[in-house]
Amino acid sequence: DVKVTQSSRYLVKRTGEKVFLECVQDMDHENMFWYRQDPGLGLRLIYFSYDVKMKEKGDIPEGYSVSREKKERFSLILESASTNQTSMYLCASSPAGTGEKLFFGSGTQLSVL
Amino acid sequence: AQSVTQLGSHVSVSEGALVLLRCNYSSSVPPYLFWYVQYPNQGLQLLLKYTTGATLVKGINGFEAEFKKSETSFHLTKPSAHMSDAAEYFCAVTPGGYNKLIFGAGTRLAVHP
Repeated sequence: DVKVTQSSRYLVKRTGEKVFLECVQDMDHENMFWYRQDPGLGLRLIYFSYDVKMKEKGDIPEGYSVSREKKERFSLILESASTNQTSMYLCASSPAGTGEKLFFGSGTQLSVL
Repeated sequence: AQSVTQLGSHVSVSEGALVLLRCNYSSSVPPYLFWYVQYPNQGLQLLLKYTTGATLVKGINGFEAEFKKSETSFHLTKPSAHMSDAAEYFCAVTPGGYNKLIFGAGTRLAVHP
């Protein structure tokens, strides 16, 4: 069965900490995405990557960075966590091309205190 | 710019009743349209998608949606609701390029006996 695995289901961090969220896919997909999900706002795209070492900003990249050193792994980095980054973070992957199905991980609920 | 509007953040139906979840989109290019479902504590799963061809699209679990270009709509329906359909449903559009999706705010469906 195909899988997108996010390293933590729940995470609690302090304001100002550097936070790493890890995502691994086993489907050899070219595209990987990080979304955040907030009630009433749906999913908003933070960053995406279409190839190793390639990245593009999404709609809300401020306060975040990403790393994709290997095809299967896409990391989201909060350089200095703030309380307004408390959210559910969802990673997804898809084959190259438009109109392809996205495969989602189960999400990481991050609380920044 | 592309956007998605889902009418009604909460919809409640009786078991066996028709399910209708509304989605309107704006897109400057021919859109690819999607419906995803999220069950509690899980990631999103694809229900169905429209790319080209037949405007009535059938998906999993008895759901279907019709692309109406003149109305810029892609409403999701199911003839008879089941208790297991209780979940949050997201409509999405891709503006093209790298398979990025823009999601609506979501509609939470409740099914009562």
